[in-house]
Amino acid sequence: SQKIEQNSEALNIQEGKTATLTCNYTNYSPAYLQWYRQDPGRGPVFLLLIRENEKEKRKERLKVTFDTTLKQSLFHITASQPADSATYLCALVYNQGGKLIFGQGTELSVKP
Amino acid sequence: DTAVSQTPKYLVTQMGNDKSIKCEQNLGHDTMYWYKQDSKKFLKIMFSYNNKELIINETVPNRFSPKSPDKAHLNLHINSLELGDSAVYFCASSPRDRGLEQYFGPGTRLTVT
Repeated sequence: SQKIEQNSEALNIQEGKTATLTCNYTNYSPAYLQWYRQDPGRGPVFLLLIRENEKEKRKERLKVTFDTTLKQSLFHITASQPADSATYLCALVYNQGGKLIFGQGTELSVKP
Repeated sequence: DTAVSQTPKYLVTQMGNDKSIKCEQNLGHDTMYWYKQDSKKFLKIMFSYNNKELIINETVPNRFSPKSPDKAHLNLHINSLELGDSAVYFCASSPRDRGLEQYFGPGTRLTVT
């Protein structure tokens, strides 16, 4: 079955630096890969989606890359701020079945 | 406000009881979902409905029964609650043709004692 791995250890960085989170998957590539943000006690919030045939997507300070050869997506937050502190989830969508498979998330902590 | 809403936010109950969680979305989406997030924060899909029709039914015990009276509502009924059912349950919806981009509700924390 499909496996998704995100950094299980929390990522601690200094304000102003770039945070880079990793999402690796096994087996075949998804049609879409999505990133969500989840704050404690709240539901996940959709951030970005990247398609199988896209290499990179940007939205404001966020950038997502998708490498189907490495079976990996990287999620970057540039000029990070304490308000970016949250858990970030990646999710894969396969055409067959039409469902999202989520990774376990990486907790990001940005220190002032 | 346009959103996905769930009630109740917290639910504490004893083993063996039956309980329901309600979900409503006013985003005009065709597809709605129920997810379970366990203590290790894994978010796993349970059910998916498209226009009141069941599309996805993951390996979920029969004690869990979703009901969709219309495409804006998807309720979750749980019979004979067990300790292992304790988790946070999220409802979500997604628009058509947007790569299943999900809009989540605030979650219902279910505690079974």
